[in-house]
Amino acid sequence: QALLVESGGGVVQPGRSLRLSCAASGFNFNSSPMVWVRQAPGRGLEWMAFVSSDGTKKYYADSVKGRHTISRDNSRNSVFLQMDGLKVDDTAVYYCARGSSDWSYFDYWGQGTLVTVSS
Amino acid sequence: SAPTQTASVSGSPGQSITISCTVSTSDIADDDSVSWYQQHPGKAPKVILYDVGHRPSGISDRFSGSRSANTAYLTISGLQADDEADYYCASYSNTLTFDWVFGGGTKLTVL
Repeated sequence: QALLVESGGGVVQPGRSLRLSCAASGFNFNSSPMVWVRQAPGRGLEWMAFVSSDGTKKYYADSVKGRHTISRDNSRNSVFLQMDGLKVDDTAVYYCARGSSDWSYFDYWGQGTLVTVSS
Repeated sequence: SAPTQTASVSGSPGQSITISCTVSTSDIADDDSVSWYQQHPGKAPKVILYDVGHRPSGISDRFSGSRSANTAYLTISGLQADDEADYYCASYSNTLTFDWVFGGGTKLTVL
């Protein structure tokens, strides 16, 4: 059974950094593209970042490009999101999810970790 | 640009409802790169349809999808109380860049 568990969320001041982690199990992580998706309180879903299965291809939403960095460690079955220069608008639940083999949809999701950016 | 969804829809148990998702034709990788997600309050999203009308294993056949031009549709038949949730469509684009965009979501109320 596929399982994704996010960690690293919390309360952080504007301008500071935070690193989210997502531990995967129950599926072949090494061959799975991974994404981060966020959801601000009371709002809809927003795709943030994508990393290919081998980590060589990375894509970002315009809203976080240049501030956030996605990475993965296939030896640890984990994907990460380094968030720098956090803004109040980055307050959200952050989900990691597995991408389908053709990259077109997201089939497994974690339960999310809450990031609150506040002074 | 984000796909456009109706903000809310409602129906009674046993009825059918349809949610629409209008996508910019420049925002889709191909004609079938639309997926649908169900999200109950406080829970993670769950994919219920991909490639317009394909159901992942374990998803009820009460959920079906179709497409006409640049609009995708999610139909839920035989409405049940547990269907009350938010529903999001998403489009995937690999034309100018790689991009995944969610619609604004549709709140389904089962009366």
